[in-house]
Amino acid sequence: LAKTTQPISMDSYEGQEVNITCSHNNIATNDYITWYQQFPSQGPRFIIQGYKTKVTNEVASLFIPADRKSSTLSLPRVSLSDTAVYYCLVGDREDTGRRALTFGSGTRLQVQP
Amino acid sequence: GAVVSQHPSRVICKSGTSVKIECRSLDFQATTMFWYRQFPKQSLMLMATSNEGSKATYEQGVEKDKFLINHASLTLSTLTVTSAHPEDSSFYICSARIEWASNEKLFFGSGTQLSVL
Repeated sequence: LAKTTQPISMDSYEGQEVNITCSHNNIATNDYITWYQQFPSQGPRFIIQGYKTKVTNEVASLFIPADRKSSTLSLPRVSLSDTAVYYCLVGDREDTGRRALTFGSGTRLQVQP
Repeated sequence: GAVVSQHPSRVICKSGTSVKIECRSLDFQATTMFWYRQFPKQSLMLMATSNEGSKATYEQGVEKDKFLINHASLTLSTLTVTSAHPEDSSFYICSARIEWASNEKLFFGSGTQLSVL
């Protein structure tokens, strides 16, 4: 099972760059890495997805080293509205071949003014 | 992007009643949907995988007779909490999966806050 490990919480200030690292030592060869953001009392929202090296979109960048055993979500110049919980997920293929995506503990990011 | 609509957003019910939560994929077809529950300040816990046209697959420890899942069409899955009790109070979230090759992406509903009195 491809479990993930993230820091429980992080603090930052407005305007700073925030990097959240996720460990996934048992990632399977074909698995992608996906990051989600969740605000209180809302469903998670897709942020970014990648397989290797670097991926960038309008809200974040995702850095994945060659061994793919970890990934880093980078949020440039955070604002107060980025205060949320961030989850990284990888595919979780069981012996039966059934895929089931499981959530780790997530990282609670608190952005201060 | 794809939209998943979940209703109701909040429900309060008396102990012993049943509550149905709907999850719809609005602009795509989803053969697979997932149901999660989340307690305050905790992560999402997968309850079951809902497959269109077949029985749902429940995670260990989740009572299938308690949490009835129906996925009768490619755009609708429902979760019915039967004979709800206060310990069933939680935030329930559905998601629909779009999968291609080995890649997949989940789109989530906005969640349902269930409070059982």
